[in-house]
Amino acid sequence: KNEVEQSPQNLTAQEGEFITINCSYSVGISALHWLQQHPGGGIVSLFMLSSGKKKHGRLIATINIQEKHSSLHITASHPRDSAVYICAAHSGTYKYIFGTGTRLKVLA
Amino acid sequence: ETGVTQTPRHLVMGMTNKKSLKCEQHLGHNAMYWYKQSAKKPLELMFVYNFKEQTENNSVPSRFSPECPNSSHLFLHLHTLQPEDSALYLCASSQGGTSGGTQYFGPGTRLLVL
Repeated sequence: KNEVEQSPQNLTAQEGEFITINCSYSVGISALHWLQQHPGGGIVSLFMLSSGKKKHGRLIATINIQEKHSSLHITASHPRDSAVYICAAHSGTYKYIFGTGTRLKVLA
Repeated sequence: ETGVTQTPRHLVMGMTNKKSLKCEQHLGHNAMYWYKQSAKKPLELMFVYNFKEQTENNSVPSRFSPECPNSSHLFLHLHTLQPEDSALYLCASSQGGTSGGTQYFGPGTRLLVL
């Protein structure tokens, strides 16, 4: 079992829908990262959080340290949000454990 | 030019070839990383350099040899690779420190080993 689990693995939504992607981890962490990977491979860091909640535009990330769980929410989803979303647990100075990603497709 | 750049973007090599991947960051960061991303598998951290010193080596086969001549450049030298080494190789950089910092990724090199 991977130390970082994401769900769902695949998600198809209609434009405008509210989307939630979940990440659970079993290791101690100093921070949890959410990344976005577009077709072609480029990865963009969306959030780094160690407690509470962060918001950037239509994206919201939350983390519950006690429950070892984080969620990424997308409000008013758009086809350009289609990508793979990856959570990564920062569990040591330079140790990152990655989830397998959630492939999101938003239909127009 | 800003950000993290990688060359080449695509590479096809035979198992007896020797090639090198290059990564360059223009962000003033002190830590650089090599990752491997295989199909259907999570990103795997291969090597970490902090201030040009290798700090992590996650049991990577010796056919992969990293080199960090300065804090802006990182190389991955490849020799006698196997077909299962075909993957997307991503470079990243961060400001480092005990918290690691937000990582900035390059576009990756898609490698095919025949």
